[in-house]
Amino acid sequence: DAMVIQNPRYQVTQFGKPVTLSCSQTLNHNVMYWYQQKSSQAPKLLFHYYDKDFNNEADTPDNFQSRRPNTSFCFLDIRSPGLGDAAMYLCATSRGGTVSQETQYFGPGTRLLVL
Amino acid sequence: AQKVTQAQTEISVVEKEDVTLDCVYETRDTTYYLFWYKQPPSGELVFLIRRNSFDEQNEISGRYSWNFQKSTSSFNFTITASQVVDSAVYFCALMGGYNFNKFYFGSGTKLNVKP
Repeated sequence: DAMVIQNPRYQVTQFGKPVTLSCSQTLNHNVMYWYQQKSSQAPKLLFHYYDKDFNNEADTPDNFQSRRPNTSFCFLDIRSPGLGDAAMYLCATSRGGTVSQETQYFGPGTRLLVL
Repeated sequence: AQKVTQAQTEISVVEKEDVTLDCVYETRDTTYYLFWYKQPPSGELVFLIRRNSFDEQNEISGRYSWNFQKSTSSFNFTITASQVVDSAVYFCALMGGYNFNKFYFGSGTKLNVKP
């Protein structure tokens, strides 16, 4: 059973047209993350939510925003996608409890194409 | 500073061969955690193992084994009798003991297992 779900799996958008990617989880984890992964590169953390607390990485462009309306859902909004934003976007969750048990679990990703 | 190095960009083996994927890390934290993830062509990062810095016991899970050596700051991953289904990109990651919402990923090693 899927525990971290991402929709859609593939998204095509036009240059400059806002797009929203969604992530949901059935693990009841406190922490949700968004990563950007470009071809042949490691995932790059954009931001994460610890419960309702939003934590942005210093080098994440303002063009990327996120919302977490409840424990189960988290959204990634790209306000004005550029060609350079074409990538795989990965959502992950972690329990957010004791450090010694902390592990991130990833969804299948959404591959974004910008035309 | 936290850093993970996977020097092998790509490895090709023939089915049934054993293969070792190298991971070297840098951290100043006295407590830290190391991970291996598998990313098949479908894109999802699949969690394989977590190892705590205070537990240097090697681990075996079926055809997979992990060799953790603090003396050389390495956490290597060996696949015994490789199979075509093992073809994927493998990422090693480091999480510090104090900032447990931050993963530092290596650049990944692409493993090609040929029949």
